[in-house]
Amino acid sequence: GIQVEQSPPDLILQEGANSTLRCNFSDSVNNLQWFHQNPWGQLINLFYIPSGTKQNGRLSATTVATERYSLLYISSSQTTDSGVYFCAVDDGGATNKLIFGTGTLLAVQP
Amino acid sequence: DAGVTQSPTHLIKTRGQQVTLRCSPKSGHDTVSWYQQALGQGPQFIFQYYEEEERQRGNFPDRFSGHQFPNYSSELNVNALLLGDSALYLCASRGLVNEQYFGPGTRLTVT
Repeated sequence: GIQVEQSPPDLILQEGANSTLRCNFSDSVNNLQWFHQNPWGQLINLFYIPSGTKQNGRLSATTVATERYSLLYISSSQTTDSGVYFCAVDDGGATNKLIFGTGTLLAVQP
Repeated sequence: DAGVTQSPTHLIKTRGQQVTLRCSPKSGHDTVSWYQQALGQGPQFIFQYYEEEERQRGNFPDRFSGHQFPNYSSELNVNALLLGDSALYLCASRGLVNEQYFGPGTRLTVT
């Protein structure tokens, strides 16, 4: 099956700093999503980005499908950005089930 | 427009008991998937329901079963609970371009 790897596993930032999170996947995919999981467990949709680049406020994402990776950029980080960031890919089957990476735990300190 | 809702938010059960978790998809969505997230790990696919039928199952035993109702809401049932079933259970509904939207989850603790 498809393997999804994320790096770094942990990241500590000072408020205002920028960061880049990476997601590598082992096979071609139809769908890639980035999520932020808050401390209460809620998975919040950040981007649906099977290819190309998208921006939403301080966040942006780029997926290079031919090279099987995606990047999530966080600029001017805030303490509310803390939590776990997951990349998930669609396995390409009839149900479009998501295969999640191991996540990046981000802590933004004031 | 209500998002995906789940109930209850927290649940404590004893080994051997049975539990039922509930999910209502986003308005207009007809496909519901269930995921289990153990502590420190990413969510793992349990199964998906569409047109009131189970379409695909992940690597979970038959103790895990589900149901979908005509209004597209869904239930997840787990029988003969084990300590290892303690986890966050997430429900997701599928959008028009197959993107998934997740509910707030039910945190199950088995003692």
